[in-house]
Amino acid sequence: GAVVSQHPSRVICKSGTSVKIECRSLDFQATTMFWYRQFPKQSLMLMATSNEGSKATYEQGVEKDKFLINHASLTLSTLTVTSAHPEDSSFYICSASTSGSRSYEQYFGPGTRLTVT
Amino acid sequence: QKEVEQNSGPLSVPEGAIASLNCTYSDRGSQSFFWYRQYSGKSPELIMSIYSNGDKEDGRFTAQLNKASQYVSLLIRDSQPSDSATYLCAVSTGGGNKLTFGTGTQLKVEL
Repeated sequence: GAVVSQHPSRVICKSGTSVKIECRSLDFQATTMFWYRQFPKQSLMLMATSNEGSKATYEQGVEKDKFLINHASLTLSTLTVTSAHPEDSSFYICSASTSGSRSYEQYFGPGTRLTVT
Repeated sequence: QKEVEQNSGPLSVPEGAIASLNCTYSDRGSQSFFWYRQYSGKSPELIMSIYSNGDKEDGRFTAQLNKASQYVSLLIRDSQPSDSATYLCAVSTGGGNKLTFGTGTQLKVEL
């Protein structure tokens, strides 16, 4: 149980283009999804938290107009990196959690490695 | 002061030994604590969660929590080369369901 998928696993795009990353919880309903970014040899940095049907809450320093997050259903959240630049190249990982006694457990997707050329 | 601190390592242990990984946190209100394992180039995988003081065992893994000392640890018994990875400590913060991660401890289990 608690399987989270992410698509695509790897993407290369040109500077100035937009990229959409999908995150799906496959066997549970995710009341909350999280988006992280991880640069090489660094820890996970939370970008935003999204609850189904609500606007995402962004962490300080994360541009909400650049990183568009949509959490349209209890099993799907998307992150769109708009007007990507080389400095946006990173490993983007989503996680999902559910309400209940284990509400703070987060299950991670396999990640999306974004390279902007 | 960082919210969640871990020794970056690498921590090297021989195969079959006990690996001890430590983590301290600053938010006294934290209620939930997790250990994740992350292999190089992969995403984190939840291996243990602990919510109350004391020990919690699951197979070769034991998590220990001491809220008074703001300290959580992970013991791995009978360490195997496949345990070689970075172990991330995560703590719930801010009273909500957000997690703050430590920078991770790299564990190397040597033959």
